[in-house]
Amino acid sequence: DVKVTQSSRYLVKRTGEKVFLECVQDMDHENMFWYRQDPGLGLRLIYFSYDVKMKEKGDIPEGYSVSREKKERFSLILESASTNQTSMYLCATGGSSGRGPRVRPYEQYFGPGTRLTVT
Amino acid sequence: SQKIEQNSEALNIQEGKTATLTCNYTNYSPAYLQWYRQDPGRGPVFLLLIRENEKEKRKERLKVTFDTTLKQSLFHITASQPADSATYLCALDRGSSNTGKLIFGQGTTLQVKP
Repeated sequence: DVKVTQSSRYLVKRTGEKVFLECVQDMDHENMFWYRQDPGLGLRLIYFSYDVKMKEKGDIPEGYSVSREKKERFSLILESASTNQTSMYLCATGGSSGRGPRVRPYEQYFGPGTRLTVT
Repeated sequence: SQKIEQNSEALNIQEGKTATLTCNYTNYSPAYLQWYRQDPGRGPVFLLLIRENEKEKRKERLKVTFDTTLKQSLFHITASQPADSATYLCALDRGSSNTGKLIFGQGTTLQVKP
């Protein structure tokens, strides 16, 4: 079974703090994703990485950065936490998107989530 | 812009009945569509994937249909059980090819009463 773990289930931080959320997967998947989930807004993609040291902005990257130094690890960084970043953060992993006829669509595997509160 | 809509109202049904959830999309030509289950406080769990050239897909008590003309997918749970109570999300690849980047609907909450 694919296992995706996140560093914390619950986190409380103060405004202005630098926050690190870490995600680790054990299935050798190329793609990793960070989402946030808010009531009424659903899941929104923050950043996406398709390879080590490669990253791509999602729909709402402002105020966030990411780091992928190793294939199995994808970190989300809140440079200066703000109250509007209070949310549930979900990491996910999937196969390779790639291109061409041999590529098949794949499902995403999610971690348990980190509920971040910024006060 | 691309949009996915799921019924935001909770669906309440009696145990043993069939639950039907709807996912509509606009401004897309997706190659496939996925359905996920999410329990409170947990990450979504993948259930089924259906491709554009497949009309129907089944897995145990689950059935998904995909009508690219209507731009709609229906998700059915037959012989529903209280353990099926959860939020169900549909998701589409945001590109017409396999980009791997999904857009999720907001989900429909299903409550199965014993």
